[in-house]
Amino acid sequence: GENVEQHPSTLSVQEGDSAVIKCTYSDSASNYFPWYKQELGKRPQLIIDIRSNVGEKKDQRIAVTLNKTAKHFSLHITETQPEDSAVYFCAATGTASKLTFGTGTRLQVTL
Amino acid sequence: DTGVSQDPRHKITKRGQNVTFRCDPISEHNRLYWYRQTLGQGPEFLTYFQNEAQLEKSRLLSDRFSAERPKGSFSTLEIQRTEQGDSAMYLCASSLDPEAFFGQGTRLTVV
Repeated sequence: GENVEQHPSTLSVQEGDSAVIKCTYSDSASNYFPWYKQELGKRPQLIIDIRSNVGEKKDQRIAVTLNKTAKHFSLHITETQPEDSAVYFCAATGTASKLTFGTGTRLQVTL
Repeated sequence: DTGVSQDPRHKITKRGQNVTFRCDPISEHNRLYWYRQTLGQGPEFLTYFQNEAQLEKSRLLSDRFSAERPKGSFSTLEIQRTEQGDSAMYLCASSLDPEAFFGQGTRLTVV
């Protein structure tokens, strides 16, 4: 089955700096890669996603890139703000059509 | 609220008791997923439905766990003879291929 690895597990950046979170996946048939943000005690919320026929997607301060050959994808957050502090999860949908999640990255944006 | 709804939000039960959780998906979403999340971990896949058909069940799921989705609408997850290791957040997500949206979860504590 699909296996998703995520790095780093924790990331601390100063407000205004950029943050990058990286994930790799194992199933070459995976074709959908969402990113979720989870604040403490709340549900995971879908913030951006990318499909396998696209290399990059941007939505305001967040962007996701996908390298299908290398089987990795990344989340980029620019001009970070304190409200970006949360746990971020990457996921991949493989042939079984189920989402397999990474282990999460705890992002802390300091003032 | 037209999002995914889960009930109850919290459940405390004694070891050995049975518990049942309910998930009401977003209307017309054909896929429904159950995940389990423990502190500091990513959501772990339990099972999923396409309409009323249960298409996959995690190998990690013991026979004490069962899920149903009658008529392809709401779903229930039952845990029989609960154990302390079952304590976790149980998350439901619904999807209209491929975006998946999570409910607020049911936090189970087995004492």
